Amino acid sequence: GAVVSQHPSWVICKSGTSVKIECRSLDFQATTMFWYRQFPKQSLMLMATSNEGSKATYEQGVEKDKFLINHASLTLSTLTVTSAHPEDSSFYICSARETSVKTQYFGPGTRLLVL
Amino acid sequence: AQSVTQPDIHITVSEGASLELRCNYSYGATPYLFWYVQSPGQGLQLLLKYFSGDTLVQGIKGFEAEFKRSQSSFNLRKPSVHWSDAAEYFCAVGVGRNNDMRFGAGTRLTVKP
Repeated sequence: GAVVSQHPSWVICKSGTSVKIECRSLDFQATTMFWYRQFPKQSLMLMATSNEGSKATYEQGVEKDKFLINHASLTLSTLTVTSAHPEDSSFYICSARETSVKTQYFGPGTRLLVL
Repeated sequence: AQSVTQPDIHITVSEGASLELRCNYSYGATPYLFWYVQSPGQGLQLLLKYFSGDTLVQGIKGFEAEFKRSQSSFNLRKPSVHWSDAAEYFCAVGVGRNNDMRFGAGTRLTVKP
């Protein structure tokens, strides 16, 4: 089946530093990947849609200069949280859309803690 | 307004009992419909999906869901719940040309011994 990985699974950083999270589709190509944020006991909030070879599309209220997205290949998208602050602490989940089956497959998530 | 509604925030069932998790959607056309499960600290795993055809779909782990157009519903069922089914369940719809995903708020399932 379709597998999506994320790295790292956990990251703790100091306030003001930048953190990069990788999302990879392991056994299929994904022209479109998605980045979500999830707060405790809440649903997923779509942050942005990442399109291979073009700029990401951000949801309303999501700062594109804060959350940099790069989708340089058909199997890799990265999310960089720039100048992280404690309020950026959250669970970040990516997904990759397998176009042939019109289905999103999700990564295991990355828990970010900013001190 | 377009929405996905999971009316039950939290459900508790006894192990071995049957389960039904509700999902209603409000979109102009019949969207693609999905159920995902999330264990604590994990990503989402696809349980099943409906695009067209037979309105009763079978998924993994013994789950099934039935699409009812007249009720705009896509309820998830399992005849006998196992303790390992305790998790958060999300209903989702894919809408638009790009099949963008919209999630319900989720239903947390607790299984009593």
